[in-house]
Amino acid sequence: DARVTQTPRHKVTEMGQEVTMRCQPILGHNTVFWYRQTMMQGLELLAYFRNRAPLDDSGMPKDRFSAEMPDATLATLKIQPSEPRDSAVYFCASGSSGPGDSPLHFGNGTRLTVT
Amino acid sequence: GENVEQHPSTLSVQEGDSAVIKCTYSDSASNYFPWYKQELGKGPQLIIDIRSNVGEKKDQRIAVTLNKTAKHFSLHITETQPEDSAVYFCAASETSYDKVIFGPGTSLSVIP
Repeated sequence: DARVTQTPRHKVTEMGQEVTMRCQPILGHNTVFWYRQTMMQGLELLAYFRNRAPLDDSGMPKDRFSAEMPDATLATLKIQPSEPRDSAVYFCASGSSGPGDSPLHFGNGTRLTVT
Repeated sequence: GENVEQHPSTLSVQEGDSAVIKCTYSDSASNYFPWYKQELGKGPQLIIDIRSNVGEKKDQRIAVTLNKTAKHFSLHITETQPEDSAVYFCAASETSYDKVIFGPGTSLSVIP
């Protein structure tokens, strides 16, 4: 059963530290999304890529967040420097455009706590 | 941009009863409306979706309806079971593979 894999599952860090979250999309999916989930804001779209090119990162704080796809099997989301308000669950999702398009499949998230 | 509203925020039903969750959206360009179920500690999981050229879709105990004119869509769960207890999200998008905007979620509790 194909699935989106996210690492780490949990991360606790101190304010000011760099955090890197990784995502392995489902093989063959060409669209990758990063969402952040908090009690107050719900599921917010941070950024998404198609064929490794960024399509929209308007939901992402540009001064401290960055998202990349070094290759088709890896997406990364970095926060530098991290702040307590960044504490949330970060989800990666992948999908596929074109014939036989596939809707979003989510990973199980990275729970980030910044102290 | 798209805005999705969802009601109620919490819903409690007796096992065997039906549950209905309603959503509205704002962007007339949206044509794809998925529903996701999220269990504790897991990512959202797609349970059913509907496209704008269809008014209703059913899959066993789950059905979705869409009124594109009114920009309303709803999820109906019949014969609810305790394992249906979870948070349910409605969402809207132009296509199944474009950015999906989520509603705030409904926490459903099915009481045995």
